[in-house]
Amino acid sequence: QKEVEQNSGPLSVPEGAIASLNCTYSDRGSQSFFWYRQYSGKSPELIMSIYSNGDKEDGRFTAQLNKASQYVSLLIRDSQPSDSATYLCAVDGGDYKLSFGAGTTVTVRA
Amino acid sequence: DTGVSQDPRHKITKRGQNVTFRCDPISEHNRLYWYRQTLGQGPEFLTYFQNEAQLEKSRLLSDRFSAERPKGSFSTLEIQRTEQGDSAMYLCASSLRAGTNTEAFFGQGTRLTVV
Repeated sequence: QKEVEQNSGPLSVPEGAIASLNCTYSDRGSQSFFWYRQYSGKSPELIMSIYSNGDKEDGRFTAQLNKASQYVSLLIRDSQPSDSATYLCAVDGGDYKLSFGAGTTVTVRA
Repeated sequence: DTGVSQDPRHKITKRGQNVTFRCDPISEHNRLYWYRQTLGQGPEFLTYFQNEAQLEKSRLLSDRFSAERPKGSFSTLEIQRTEQGDSAMYLCASSLRAGTNTEAFFGQGTRLTVV
């Protein structure tokens, strides 16, 4: 069974700070990793994808992947109130379907 | 807007009734997925199609659930004899099979309430 674990949160950070979200996965054969943002009552929105070890930066978001440790993280720099949402970690185990964590809720305090 | 489109956005039905949801994927995407999400949980995989072929069904998908994707375009998800436990957000996603890129994009979802 493929499991994806995330810090349940909630994670509260002041505006302008860095929010750090963590995710671990059980399937060593996993190939692709994604972060989705989900606002309350809305559907998930893809914000980052990462396929190889190391860091990937896109604007204020940085995804980090360590396949040896089966760990993927997301950093949100200069957090804004509009970043307040639930962040879902998703893992593709090579069979083209995603396994999701339960999500980490982030609240950015103005 | 060329994103994934789902219809209806909301559905309230009485227990025992049948419901059908529709998903129109991004036009060039050949893979289409259905997920279900309940409050406080991440989406759970239900089934997926590559073109018109249904390649996998989750064990979560009981015999009351059926999905189709005629002609490899839009897809429908039908739930027969709905139960209160079917109340959830039903999400459709699509992706383009292209090398290692498997980015999947979700529609707005259909929120089902069974009363």
